[in-house]
Amino acid sequence: GENVEQHPSTLSVQEGDSAVIKCTYSDSASNYFPWYKQELGKGPQLIIDIRSNVGEKKDQRIAVTLNKTAKHFSLHITETQPEDSAVYFCAAIGNDMRFGAGTRLTVKP
Amino acid sequence: DTAVSQTPKYLVTQMGNDKSIKCEQNLGHDTMYWYKQDSKKFLKIMFSYNNKELIINETVPNRFSPKSPDKAHLNLHINSLELGDSAVYFCASRSGTVAYEQYFGPGTRLTVT
Repeated sequence: GENVEQHPSTLSVQEGDSAVIKCTYSDSASNYFPWYKQELGKGPQLIIDIRSNVGEKKDQRIAVTLNKTAKHFSLHITETQPEDSAVYFCAAIGNDMRFGAGTRLTVKP
Repeated sequence: DTAVSQTPKYLVTQMGNDKSIKCEQNLGHDTMYWYKQDSKKFLKIMFSYNNKELIINETVPNRFSPKSPDKAHLNLHINSLELGDSAVYFCASRSGTVAYEQYFGPGTRLTVT
């Protein structure tokens, strides 16, 4: 099956700084890459996604980039705010769906 | 008007017991899932159901059995609970027309003592 590696496992930034989370996958059949945000005591919520025919997608302070050749995709959060603090998961979907292990982001005010 | 709901939110029980977790979605989705999230936050898919047909079973012990009485419900029944079953269990659903965009429930924290 496909493996999805996610780094870093924890990330602490100062409010206003940028945060970057990276994922790599191994299955060439993967064609859809969602990112989920999980706040304490809640289920994961889809925040942005990208399909394999697109290299970059942006939604306000959140952007995702995809390098299909290298099998890398990344989440970028700019101007971070304390409410961005959560666990973020990447996922890669092709023949099946695999999640990364998660990144705990802490934004310090 | 919750999209995906689960009951109970918390479940504490003893080893060897049998318990069920219920999930309902009011989104009209075709496929529902159960995930297990362990203490390290790792999410692992357990089952999915599409039109009452099990289509994924990720090497889950047969003590776990999903039951889908209709398209809007996918319940998880667990027999002979073990300490290692302690985790948060999430239900999710997706529409067959929007590939892969899944909506998660709030989770059920199961603690086996």
